[in-house]
Amino acid sequence: GAGVSQSPSNKVTEKGKDVELRCDPISGHTALYWYRQSLGQGLEFLIYFQGNSAPDKSGLPSDRFSAERTGGSVSTLTIQRTQQEDSAVYLCASTPDVGFGYGYTFGSGTRLTVV
Amino acid sequence: AQSVTQLGSHVSVSEGALVLLRCNYSSSVPPYLFWYVQYPNQGLQLLLKYTSAATLVKGINGFEAEFKKSETSFHLTKPSAHMSDAAEYFCAVSETGANSKLTFGKGITLSVRP
Repeated sequence: GAGVSQSPSNKVTEKGKDVELRCDPISGHTALYWYRQSLGQGLEFLIYFQGNSAPDKSGLPSDRFSAERTGGSVSTLTIQRTQQEDSAVYLCASTPDVGFGYGYTFGSGTRLTVV
Repeated sequence: AQSVTQLGSHVSVSEGALVLLRCNYSSSVPPYLFWYVQYPNQGLQLLLKYTSAATLVKGINGFEAEFKKSETSFHLTKPSAHMSDAAEYFCAVSETGANSKLTFGKGITLSVRP
């Protein structure tokens, strides 16, 4: 597609429920990133996928968080047993390649509210 | 390890005044540096980037930034603020030769007074 697409744009869930957030990167972009943006906290790195390499999961805050990327394209971020502190905007970004300073193209994000 | 410091959380300027948003970085290798802008309820948009070519980088919407290695700084400027510049601005760093994972500062909110 023309840009990075994320769905849903807004999600309200009850504490303890599981949620899935979807990211569809720009066609042909090999690298895909998930970040979390909390009020006043800037952007927190979560996970990074590059081609067929093992993902860099170093930013995932707990084992309730997981992500996968199927076919080198669409990615799903799953949060199990959601907690109120998971409320944030989850941003996805993609780049054509790595290590060359391309900068990210971001999606509009998914605003997650845990009640 | 790389890091970014954006001092202060809010800057307010009058329309037509100079905009100066400060960014200092820490990196163990030559960095790539970026400025992003986020308008309300939108994702982040790339304003400009430094990738070891010219130290003065020009971006969109009249913004520019200068890479100063001796000061480990990459401050963002615009000669004359416009109301439409009101947004949140993020500085970010990526280490060359590695994957392009970005480390972001906490962001600065720019307000423009009429």
